[in-house]
Amino acid sequence: RKEVEQDPGPFNVPEGATVAFNCTYSNSASQSFFWYRQDCRKEPKLLMSVYSSGNEDGRFTAQLNRASQYISLLIRDSKLSDSATYLCVVNKPRMNYGGSQGNLIFGKGTKLSVKP
Amino acid sequence: GAGVSQSPRYKVAKRGQDVALRCDPISGHVSLFWYQQALGQGPEFLTYFQNEAQLDKSGLPSDRFFAERPEGSVSTLKIQRTQQEDSAVYLCASSLLIGLVQPQHFGDGTRLSIL
Repeated sequence: RKEVEQDPGPFNVPEGATVAFNCTYSNSASQSFFWYRQDCRKEPKLLMSVYSSGNEDGRFTAQLNRASQYISLLIRDSKLSDSATYLCVVNKPRMNYGGSQGNLIFGKGTKLSVKP
Repeated sequence: GAGVSQSPRYKVAKRGQDVALRCDPISGHVSLFWYQQALGQGPEFLTYFQNEAQLDKSGLPSDRFFAERPEGSVSTLKIQRTQQEDSAVYLCASSLLIGLVQPQHFGDGTRLSIL
């Protein structure tokens, strides 16, 4: 099983649609979860952190289910500018240095295309 | 700007040549990471520095890959005797603190093509 798995995509949706991305992770000790967005030929940029209680930022809602090791991202009222690849990111905890800091494990990403 | 800066943006090299990629993290950021991103894939971890100490190099694919951050700021990723499979985007990221995992700020990356 891959460490972080995402919907393969691509998702092609009309403007105004609601779209959901799903992600599962394999390491139950992971503590930090993020969604990053990556535009074509650009660097990944943090979209939002994901908290245990779920969190919302405008049209974006992220949820975490630790028991199922599942993360989701919901985009409501999608815009043309939302077209990008969405990367699910989980930390790989390592205790042998500097506290709980661990490197980030990225999913393969799901490409979203919002059409007029 | 005050973001992570990488150079060069593009690098073309012949197989067998050595290359050096530079990363200038955000000023004051303690943690620095290198990733390799192949086409159609997510970034894959290569190595991590906390200040000048390289604390994790488990992701380096072979001993041809070497990274350093001698003064705890600028970092260089060197690839010796390059091979075609080294062609990828190399991303550098930095984060402010250690301890709890911080969101990472990425540079634009260096696109490396090995002919």
